Amino acid sequence: AQSVTQPDIHITVSEGASLELRCNYSYGATPYLFWYVQSPGQGLQLLLKYFSGDTLVQGIKGFEAEFKRSQSSFNLRKPSVHWSDAAEYFCAVGATDAGNMLTFGGGTRLMVKP
Amino acid sequence: DAGVIQSPRHEVTEMGQEVTLRCKPISGHNSLFWYRQTMMRGLELLIYFNNNVPIDDSGMPEDRFSAKMPNASFSTLKIQPSEPRDSAVYFCASSLGGAPGDTQYFGPGTRLTVL
Repeated sequence: AQSVTQPDIHITVSEGASLELRCNYSYGATPYLFWYVQSPGQGLQLLLKYFSGDTLVQGIKGFEAEFKRSQSSFNLRKPSVHWSDAAEYFCAVGATDAGNMLTFGGGTRLMVKP
Repeated sequence: DAGVIQSPRHEVTEMGQEVTLRCKPISGHNSLFWYRQTMMRGLELLIYFNNNVPIDDSGMPEDRFSAKMPNASFSTLKIQPSEPRDSAVYFCASSLGGAPGDTQYFGPGTRLTVL
């Protein structure tokens, strides 16, 4: 079965600084990988997803993520964080033999300092 | 376009009462998911429907929980009887199809408090 680990529960960055959120997955074949964002009191919104092809994926709101098979990672990055990026971020993995069910990581809560 | 609609947004009930949560998926979507989110356990998949048929309910905690999807535009998650440990945010999500990698679109959630 697939699994996802987000090692950082909380991260605080200053506005304007760069951001990298870590995600490690476990799955025997090529996974489908997703990043979602959850603002307080809201549902989850898809930021980006990876299926195959180019390992650097561009998403909404200026986010990107890079799939590294050798490291089983799919880290999320943003070059310059805005105060409105404060939210909880979830990495998720889907498997080719599991329909479109997803397994979510525990989430990383991002705080942005002015 | 309307997204996934959930009702109620907030529910407060007393232990032992029946609770029904409702979800309307995005029109044309064929897959529907119910999740539960708590601080302790994170986001857990409870049950997954495809074309109104339950495909995987291995995440349903126990017999007190049941879910139905009588048609393509409506689903319910029922808890009977409710217990304080059921307090959580319950999300419904839908996707266009059931293929691997199909994007899931989430509703705003129902915050359930069981006293």
